[in-house]
Amino acid sequence: QKEVEQNSGPLSVPEGAIASLNCTYSDRGSQSFFWYRQYSGKSPELIMFIYSNGDKEDGRFTAQLNKASQYVSLLIRDSQPSDSATYLCATPGGYQKVTFGIGTKLQVIP
Amino acid sequence: DTGVSQDPRHKITKRGQNVTFRCDPISEHNRLYWYRQTLGQGPEFLTYFQNEAQLEKSRLLSDRFSAERPKGSFSTLEIQRTEQGDSAMYLCASSANTNEKLFFGSGTQLSVL
Repeated sequence: QKEVEQNSGPLSVPEGAIASLNCTYSDRGSQSFFWYRQYSGKSPELIMFIYSNGDKEDGRFTAQLNKASQYVSLLIRDSQPSDSATYLCATPGGYQKVTFGIGTKLQVIP
Repeated sequence: DTGVSQDPRHKITKRGQNVTFRCDPISEHNRLYWYRQTLGQGPEFLTYFQNEAQLEKSRLLSDRFSAERPKGSFSTLEIQRTEQGDSAMYLCASSANTNEKLFFGSGTQLSVL
């Protein structure tokens, strides 16, 4: 089992809709979780991080963490074509080595 | 520029040759990571340093790969006797202490012919 699991997509949503991206992890020792956005041909860029159970909001982005279910999600409200990218879930697990999922490709259709 | 810097941006080499990449992290960051990424995959962990100490190296990494971070500043990643399967984007990232927020460089795209 991979440490971080994501559906590769693509996930297609119409402009203005809510995009929901999901991630599961295997290491119960994981304490912190990160979402990175990667545009085609570019490097990953950190957009959200969450440490505690519940929701964390930043502008149009909301990260949700459920440690009991080992589940992390990222919601993007009012999706824009500029949000079209691959979204990577990452966690250091219990050993400080930051591990990434395969990434979910999001396509926002104008 | 205070971001993570990687050099070169692109490297084309013939199979069997050795290549070396350089990464300059954000100056106040003491952690430095190397990742490899191929098309359609997430970044794959290779190794990481805290200051000059190499704390972990991926078990998937063959002995042809070696990384150094002398004096805890810049880092180099060397691949000896390159193979076509080594073709990938090599990403360097740095973070401050243990907050684990990674800042990536632009990467080095390696093509092995």
